[in-house]
Amino acid sequence: DQQVKQNSPSLSVQEGRISILNCDYTNSMFDYFLWYKKYPAEGPTFLISISSIKDKNEDGRFTVFLNKSAKHLSLHIVPSQPGDSAVYFCAASPTGNQFYFGTGTSLTVIP
Amino acid sequence: EAGVTQFPSHSVIEKGQTVTLRCDPISGHDNLYWYRRVMGKEIKFLLHFVKESKQDESGMPNNRFLAERTGGTYSTLKVQPAELEDSGVYFCASSPGRKVYNEQFFGPGTRLTVL
Repeated sequence: DQQVKQNSPSLSVQEGRISILNCDYTNSMFDYFLWYKKYPAEGPTFLISISSIKDKNEDGRFTVFLNKSAKHLSLHIVPSQPGDSAVYFCAASPTGNQFYFGTGTSLTVIP
Repeated sequence: EAGVTQFPSHSVIEKGQTVTLRCDPISGHDNLYWYRRVMGKEIKFLLHFVKESKQDESGMPNNRFLAERTGGTYSTLKVQPAELEDSGVYFCASSPGRKVYNEQFFGPGTRLTVL
């Protein structure tokens, strides 16, 4: 049973606009969340994280929002750039070691 | 600093054969993880080593899968005998283990195809 869900398999956004990637989870024990970015033929690379004691974390063009009551996580990228085109995975953990990943959202930023 | 490396990058074998995947973590990282992604699905946790000890192997699918980490350095994941449903990309990740929450650094993966 999948505990982390990314219901949008793909997303296309115009360069310069905002990209919003969404993630839902079911396990209320999750207390640490991450976003990973993956290019073809490479492993996922860490992008940004948030712990359950916060509801927002920003790093440059990337912001992650956490809504614990809705068990919902989102990643905002603004402004979007063509180099942001990749598959984005949401991941969550109750312990900081075992992470549960979503199925990924493929983002295409159109120049 | 070298990243996580995995060998081979691709492996094509027939059902019933044996395959061994290797992972070299970042030097000094005590934690080593194996994950698998079946096409289009989520990246699924298989197991977690702390140094040479298996900390959590709850994600291992069945006893056809055997993971080892001799000496707490590199790790191998053996599949014997391989079945069609074992096809997928096997990722290895490592982390230093100094923080409560550890960012995991992933290797490029091994794409396994079982025919």
